Amino acid sequence: NAGVTQTPKFQVLKTGQSMTLQCAQDMNHEYMSWYRQDPGMGLRLIHYSVGAGITDQGEVPNGYNVSRSTTEDFPLRLLSAAPSQTSVYFCASSTGRSPLHFGNGTRLTVT
Amino acid sequence: QQQVKQSPQSLIVQKGGISIINCAYENTAFDYFPWYQQFPGKGPALLIAIRPDVSEKKEGRFTISFNKSAKQFSLHIMDSQPGDSATYFCAASWSGGFKTIFGAGTRLFVKA
Repeated sequence: NAGVTQTPKFQVLKTGQSMTLQCAQDMNHEYMSWYRQDPGMGLRLIHYSVGAGITDQGEVPNGYNVSRSTTEDFPLRLLSAAPSQTSVYFCASSTGRSPLHFGNGTRLTVT
Repeated sequence: QQQVKQSPQSLIVQKGGISIINCAYENTAFDYFPWYQQFPGKGPALLIAIRPDVSEKKEGRFTISFNKSAKQFSLHIMDSQPGDSATYFCAASWSGGFKTIFGAGTRLFVKA
């Protein structure tokens, strides 16, 4: 089993560009979420989903969109990248009332 | 808004010593308190977790102490080893574990 797979591993964008961070899990977990990790800030929840077709906002949702059309995939879209979105992004999944399983992250730089 | 406060930010411990990381929370609706360990270039991974109906949980060299009345919990790493050098995050969740809030993290370095 691959677990949680994130692509790409690294990405550099110019301000105003758009892109999609991909996340896929093969554990049939109903819950998936996106976090960003910044020095001294820990992991902050961006968006989460409790099942296909259901998404909700976390702590820092502005500038990000998500959708969940299948159980396996939960992409994160940046419509117009800003330097403040430079961060490491982690996708996680779980069954609920269980620990989160994380991917290995996408390191994003916005210049 | 940081609902889970973690300290210290960094910690240096001699090999064989005890590492202690503390966390405090505000929301009494939290019902699951995990600790995650993260190595450079990797995602966090569950280390140990506790629910508020017990005051202590031990797994090998790792122990969580939980004080419900004070809304505090801590991680103790006994006989710390260089391989324990990593970033540790405390966390808290509710609503069936669907929303997990993390502390700011503690970078632990164990000197050989």
